[in-house]
Amino acid sequence: EAQVTQNPRYLITVTGKKLTVTCSQNMNHEYMSWYRQDPGLGLRQIYYSMNVEVTDKGDVPEGYKVSRKEKRNFPLILESPSPNQTSLYFCASSLLGGGAVYEQYFGPGTRLTVT
Amino acid sequence: GEDVEQSLFLSVREGDSSVINCTYTDSSSTYLYWYKQEPGAGLQLLTYIFSNMDMKQDQRLTVLLNKKDKHLSLRIADTQTGDSAIYFCAERTGTYKYIFGTGTRLKVLA
Repeated sequence: EAQVTQNPRYLITVTGKKLTVTCSQNMNHEYMSWYRQDPGLGLRQIYYSMNVEVTDKGDVPEGYKVSRKEKRNFPLILESPSPNQTSLYFCASSLLGGGAVYEQYFGPGTRLTVT
Repeated sequence: GEDVEQSLFLSVREGDSSVINCTYTDSSSTYLYWYKQEPGAGLQLLTYIFSNMDMKQDQRLTVLLNKKDKHLSLRIADTQTGDSAIYFCAERTGTYKYIFGTGTRLKVLA
C-alpha cells in the first residue's frame, strides 16, 4: 500500500531533550516536506527536500533540522525542543517533474507536546 | 510576504452549495490546490488548478481562479454531511515551496 508513515504518532517531552520524528515513504517520491499545523495558523512549511542531499528552508525552519540521506526517509530533528514547538506535525511526499501535478501525500501526523 | 488567507468557518445546510474562498499573494504560483482534512487525519488532495486556467469542474467540485485578484474559490454542490471537514487552499511557488492557507472548517447541518 502506498503510504507515508511517521513515528511516533504522539510524543510528550521536556524542554531541551533532543528528539527525532521519522518519516518514510514507499512511493519513490523525490519531494518530501515537513509541516506544522497550529490552530488559526493553518499549515506552515518547515523544510522541504527535492532529492537526496538536497534540502531547503520553508517558512518556519528555526529550531528544526532535517536530513535526506536516503530517498525514502526524511527525519525531522529538534535539537533542543521548546514549548513553542508544541504542535501537530505532518510529513508529506510527492513526485517531481514529468508533468506531475505534484500531489502531496500526507502522513497521519505526529502530535508533539513540549513541557 | 507570502500569505494565503481563508475565512475560518462556514456552516451550510445539507443539499445546499458551499463556497470556500481563498486569497493568495505569490503571482509566480503555477499550481493552486484544495486539500481536505477530516478529523484526526492527514490532508488529502481534493482538486487542483493550473495557473493558466480560469475554471475547473470535477463532479460536485468547481474551482474558480481569478489571477488578477489572486482569488481562488471552491464550490461544493449538493453538500453532504460527509463533506464536513477542514479545507485548505495551497499554492506551489516557483521554488517548490508550498504555502497553505489557515483552513476553513466546513460544518454541514442535517
